[in-house]
Amino acid sequence: EIVLTQSPGTLSLSPGETATLSCRASQSLPSTPLVWYQQKPGQAPRLLIYGSSSRATGIPHRFSGSGSGTDFTLTISRLEPEDFAVYFCQQYGSSPTTFGQGTRLEI
Amino acid sequence: QVQLVQSESEVKKPGASVKVSCKPSGYSFTKYGISWVRQAPGQGLQWMGWISTFNGLTKSAEIFQGRVSMSTDTSTSTVYMELRSLTSDDTAVYYCARADIAVAPFDYWGQGTLVTVSS
Repeated sequence: EIVLTQSPGTLSLSPGETATLSCRASQSLPSTPLVWYQQKPGQAPRLLIYGSSSRATGIPHRFSGSGSGTDFTLTISRLEPEDFAVYFCQQYGSSPTTFGQGTRLEI
Repeated sequence: QVQLVQSESEVKKPGASVKVSCKPSGYSFTKYGISWVRQAPGQGLQWMGWISTFNGLTKSAEIFQGRVSMSTDTSTSTVYMELRSLTSDDTAVYYCARADIAVAPFDYWGQGTLVTVSS
């Protein structure tokens, strides 16, 4: 199965700054079958980005995704206080679908 | 609006089984399948399996094969996941999530069901 490795494990930034989160796949993914989720304490994950770069419904434009093959990036511009959470990537290009271990974005 | 409502938290003894329910609403029940994903305390997300609400076809992760069963009740538009032979390592929040096929992103999630396995 494809292993997704997210980095960094924890990212400490301040509101207004830009966050860059990485997700690396152990094998090249066909096309761009990668999504990003945001999870806050006590809540279910929320879909942010699908197809590597398409924002899900209602997701602010400050969230953007990019990448293909084995390297994918989630960029959050002008961080808002509500953006501090844990972020997971997931690949759905190969069975079984797998998740990265998460990046904690903290103030 | 789309919602997936799960059953309440459970406490089970080692060796027992647990059955978690998930009731979607806000869309045609048989149009999308349901995946199950679990999250141990402070850990990441682990896909367990997927069921088609259209024909009952299931696909489960190799690590859970033989221990997990998924089913649907179209009369009540409810999906079930049963996990058997529980150990303390199965203590986790179990989520259902909407997915049209077994290998797909999840656009809507249930609120999660905490299953605690303790003697």
